[in-house]
Amino acid sequence: KNEVEQSPQNLTAQEGEFITINCSYSVGISALHWLQQHPGGGIVSLFMLSSGKKKHGRLIATINIQEKHSSLHITASHPRDSAVYICAGGRYGNKLVFGAGTILRVKS
Amino acid sequence: EPEVTQTPSHQVTQMGQEVILRCVPISNHLYFYWYRQILGQKVEFLVSFYNNEISEKSEIFDDQFSVERPDGSNFTLKIRSTKLEDSAMYFCASSGGDSGDTQYFGPGTRLTVL
Repeated sequence: KNEVEQSPQNLTAQEGEFITINCSYSVGISALHWLQQHPGGGIVSLFMLSSGKKKHGRLIATINIQEKHSSLHITASHPRDSAVYICAGGRYGNKLVFGAGTILRVKS
Repeated sequence: EPEVTQTPSHQVTQMGQEVILRCVPISNHLYFYWYRQILGQKVEFLVSFYNNEISEKSEIFDDQFSVERPDGSNFTLKIRSTKLEDSAMYFCASSGGDSGDTQYFGPGTRLTVL
C-alpha cells in the first residue's frame, strides 16, 4: 500500500528562519511531489522529484531514494510563505497519494 | 502559462440532486484526475482517466460517481444523488505531454450539499 507521512504537522517560524519539512514514503512510489495549498484552497505544484535535488528561488527539495525520504527547505522565510505544504507520492501517469500536510506560519 | 480551469468555483445543492463539476485540463496533457478534500482532511484520490477510459478508481468512486471527456477538452465529474458527506473541495488535475509527470491542479470546486 502506498503511503506518505510528513512532519511536522504544524510549524511556526520567525521571518528569515531556515525551514525544513520532512516526508517519508513507502515502496511503490517512484516520484515525490511537493505542493503548496493556500487558505483559499488552491493547490500549486512546487516540485516533482525522482532523484537528487531541485531548487526554485528560496525553495529547495531533496530526495533520498534509498531511505525513501524527501525534504522541502525554505531559506530566508517570509510571511508570504505561510501556507500548507503537502508531499504526495506517485508513479508516472498514476494517482498521487497525499500526506496530511504541514501548516506553516511565518511571523514577521 | 497554460493552466487547468474548473467551473463552478462553488456549487450549493440539495441532498439527492445531481451535480456536474467541469474541468478543462491543459491541452496537450494525456492523464486526467479527480481528487477531493473534505474540510480539515487529506486530499484523496477519486479517479484517473487515460485514453478515454478510467485507468484507476478509489473505493470512494462508487456507482454514484461518473467521469466523462465528452468533447476532447472538457473533463467532467458527475455525482448522482448527492449526500451530505459529498461536501468537499473537488480538484481536477492533468499531467503528461510536455509536463511529464508533474500534475497541474485546477483551483477547485467547493461543493456544499445541504
